[in-house]
Amino acid sequence: GAGVSQTPSNKVTEKGKYVELRCDPISGHTALYWYRQSLGQGPEFLIYFQGTGAADDSGLPNDRFFAVRPEGSVSTLKIQRTERGDSAMYLCASSLVGAREQYFGPGTRLTVT
Amino acid sequence: LAKTTQPISMDSYEGQEVNITCSHNNIATNDYITWYQQFPSQGPRFIIQGYKTKVTNEVASLFIPADRKSSTLSLPRVSLSDTAVYYCLVGVGQSGNTPLVFGKGTRLSVIA
Repeated sequence: GAGVSQTPSNKVTEKGKYVELRCDPISGHTALYWYRQSLGQGPEFLIYFQGTGAADDSGLPNDRFFAVRPEGSVSTLKIQRTERGDSAMYLCASSLVGAREQYFGPGTRLTVT
Repeated sequence: LAKTTQPISMDSYEGQEVNITCSHNNIATNDYITWYQQFPSQGPRFIIQGYKTKVTNEVASLFIPADRKSSTLSLPRVSLSDTAVYYCLVGVGQSGNTPLVFGKGTRLSVIA
């Protein structure tokens, strides 16, 4: 079956611009997670949705980062006034309720110039 | 959440068994031990999970001693395609749906 998909696969933007990153989870997965991964590091948690609501947004680095999941399926990670330090791979994962295994998408590589 | 320590890198020849050990001295009673694999330019992929003793699946085995302060991921007869970063995670409770906490992982290089 279809796995987690993320678009775009690559995004290059200029410092100060606004970007949106999209995640399509596996159908039926109510839990959705966003992670950020810098080169040579493991993924770092950003935000977790259970259905439409953000159950845990403690990983968002600052108020320039925001994520939504209005219908409990697709999620969008929004970054305002991008900075060069935001350059990283942004990963999305989904899982079933109560499951311990998360399924990751291929990621969006964001480069801020 | 329990902190994990694992080797930064390992090298192995094709056909050998590879054992990657992870230390997690502060593991809690409810914590499971989970391993993920990540290939370059891909998201991590779940490999195996266990609570105690030994777990085996079609990909790997996971050995957990009685005190649960460490665990060993065993990959039998590795091939070049097993070259990846392997992450040991501790802290996913029985209820699931917990954000994962990754360390830097172990970079395994398989050589022909």
